[in-house]
Amino acid sequence: RKEVEQDPGPFNVPEGATVAFNCTYSNSASQSFFWYRQDCRKEPKLLMSVYSSGNEDGRFTAQLNRASQYISLLIRDSKLSDSATYLCVVNLYNNNDMRFGAGTRLTVKP
Amino acid sequence: NAGVTQTPKFRILKIGQSMTLQCTQDMNHNYMYWYRQDPGMGLKLIYYSVGAGITDKGEVPNGYNVSRSTTEDFPLRLELAAPSQTSVYFCASSYPGQTGEGEKLFFGSGTQLSVL
Repeated sequence: RKEVEQDPGPFNVPEGATVAFNCTYSNSASQSFFWYRQDCRKEPKLLMSVYSSGNEDGRFTAQLNRASQYISLLIRDSKLSDSATYLCVVNLYNNNDMRFGAGTRLTVKP
Repeated sequence: NAGVTQTPKFRILKIGQSMTLQCTQDMNHNYMYWYRQDPGMGLKLIYYSVGAGITDKGEVPNGYNVSRSTTEDFPLRLELAAPSQTSVYFCASSYPGQTGEGEKLFFGSGTQLSVL
């Protein structure tokens, strides 16, 4: 099993669609999880942290499923500006050695 | 605050040359990191540091060296450049002791390195 694995994508969706990404991780003891957004040729930027109880920020909802060792990101009412690569990040061994998934590319079309 | 500053932004090296990628941050973060990102891939950790004088290997340390003589600076050294080191390099910092955003990674804008 890869340490952090994401849906490969790409996801091509129309404006207004709802899209969900999943990410699995290998260490059941991992405590911290994040979603980062990366625009083409730019540095990654934190989109949201993922909390045990799930959390929402506007159109974005992040969830954690510890039993199945995955996190998810749901984007509702997709906008053109949501087009980017979404990176799953896990503090896999709880030592701030952050491990990145390969990323899922999202394209939102008019 | 300038945040995390990386130089240079672009560089072309010949096989066997050496160079140092510079990274500095002005946020007084104790943790600093070097990642590389190959096309279509996620970021791979090369080295990281939890404070001045302390460095540790990440997933892909071979062919690289680092030092952390000050809190602000974390240079990455390539001694004998190889084509396999062609990649985009990102430096990042964080402050795990900070309430709320402690694990948030702050990234520099990256260095595009080509080894030919």
